[in-house]
Amino acid sequence: EAQVTQNPRYLITVTGKKLTVTCSQNMNHEYMSWYRQDPGLGLRQIYYSMNVEVTDKGDVPEGYKVSRKEKRNFPLILESPSPNQTSLYFCASSFGLASNEQFFGPGTRLTVL
Amino acid sequence: KNEVEQSPQNLTAQEGEFITINCSYSVGISALHWLQQHPGGGIVSLFMLSSGKKKHGRLIATINIQEKHSSLHITASHPRDSAVYICAVRSVPYNTDKLIFGTGTRLQVFP
Repeated sequence: EAQVTQNPRYLITVTGKKLTVTCSQNMNHEYMSWYRQDPGLGLRQIYYSMNVEVTDKGDVPEGYKVSRKEKRNFPLILESPSPNQTSLYFCASSFGLASNEQFFGPGTRLTVL
Repeated sequence: KNEVEQSPQNLTAQEGEFITINCSYSVGISALHWLQQHPGGGIVSLFMLSSGKKKHGRLIATINIQEKHSSLHITASHPRDSAVYICAVRSVPYNTDKLIFGTGTRLQVFP
């Protein structure tokens, strides 16, 4: 089954404790992206990747890191999480460019205390 | 001012009504997406448009590039259409590949 998976789905952590949210897709998509969703602000792009070893900042990259060492994986790293990073996070992928149909993961709800 | 504006923010309807959700944008774009987010949180892509009109079942999406405006129509609405509908645009120039989102329209359809 074609899908985007994210882990964990729920996470409660404390300020400053490094964490990684994994994202994996099995559709051989070039484009992958991370978004956060906050009430009243909608979805905002954190980082995106147009292919292996090619990443770029979205609109809200501060406090986040990403890597794209393999085509299927695009982990999101929070080196020192803070409470303002409490949010719902989505990973998405598409064939080719962001112009094409986006496939979203199920979301990761992160709470930073 | 947001680069992508949706209206209305909230919409309630009776089953069977014709629904229209609007999206206006202020940037140059190469494509526009309509997404559906169900109460459980999952997001599904409904349409990707670069011109004209697309139809899938009871859903119709149109875009007017000159007016920088898109509409999503739902014919014969049903309670299962209750969801948040999100408009997103892929902005130019082509050496970046960012998506910019509207804040969504929450639709509730009552039986």
